[in-house]
Amino acid sequence: DAKTTQPPSMDCAEGRAANLPCNHSTISGNEYVYWYRQIHSQGPQYIIHGLKNNETNEMASLIITEDRKSSTLILPHATLRDTAVYYCIAAGGGGSNYKLTFGKGTLLTVNP
Amino acid sequence: GAVVSQHPSRVICKSGTSVKIECRSLDFQATTMFWYRQFPKKSLMLMATSNEGSKATYEQGVEKDKFLINHASLTLSTLTVTSAHPEDSSFYICSAGLQGGYGYTFGSGTRLTVV
Repeated sequence: DAKTTQPPSMDCAEGRAANLPCNHSTISGNEYVYWYRQIHSQGPQYIIHGLKNNETNEMASLIITEDRKSSTLILPHATLRDTAVYYCIAAGGGGSNYKLTFGKGTLLTVNP
Repeated sequence: GAVVSQHPSRVICKSGTSVKIECRSLDFQATTMFWYRQFPKKSLMLMATSNEGSKATYEQGVEKDKFLINHASLTLSTLTVTSAHPEDSSFYICSAGLQGGYGYTFGSGTRLTVV
């Protein structure tokens, strides 16, 4: 799996958009970009994934640069419940038997 | 859909005893499940890949005789920590994904404390 680099921490005001960057400059052509988050003492939660097109779901938007070397996860209106560690992972294809390698992630703190 | 249930959520055991952790896919069949451990303030580390009907594949440095994995059915994988010691105290998490789907669902984790 390609290595990803994320800032260790970020702050965001409640109600504002949270933009979390991720660098994955060594991503290979068949690897997807996945985002998960982990709220303290819980299992990680899947947020969104993408290959090369921008994606949006009910939780977030994912913007992937054209060269696929970096991406940004956008939480459009952050709430206090969005405080968590966010992990960006580059991993192979779809299906159910590829490995996820977690880095250190970004601790997002949403402030009132 | 794609719910993974993990049990127990918390367990305390004496040093030298064994502890079994269960991971169930509630509404889907999972031929592959993954087991992670997480130390305080650290990231998740993949321990092993559990394959239904065959032997688990362990990551480098993980003792397969200490962390026994059984995946006897398409909905259940178990991790047994044998002869537990205080250094095995950790947060253990399983995950699984839908065949043909994207993204994995994680269990809620098991906090193991060995005293």
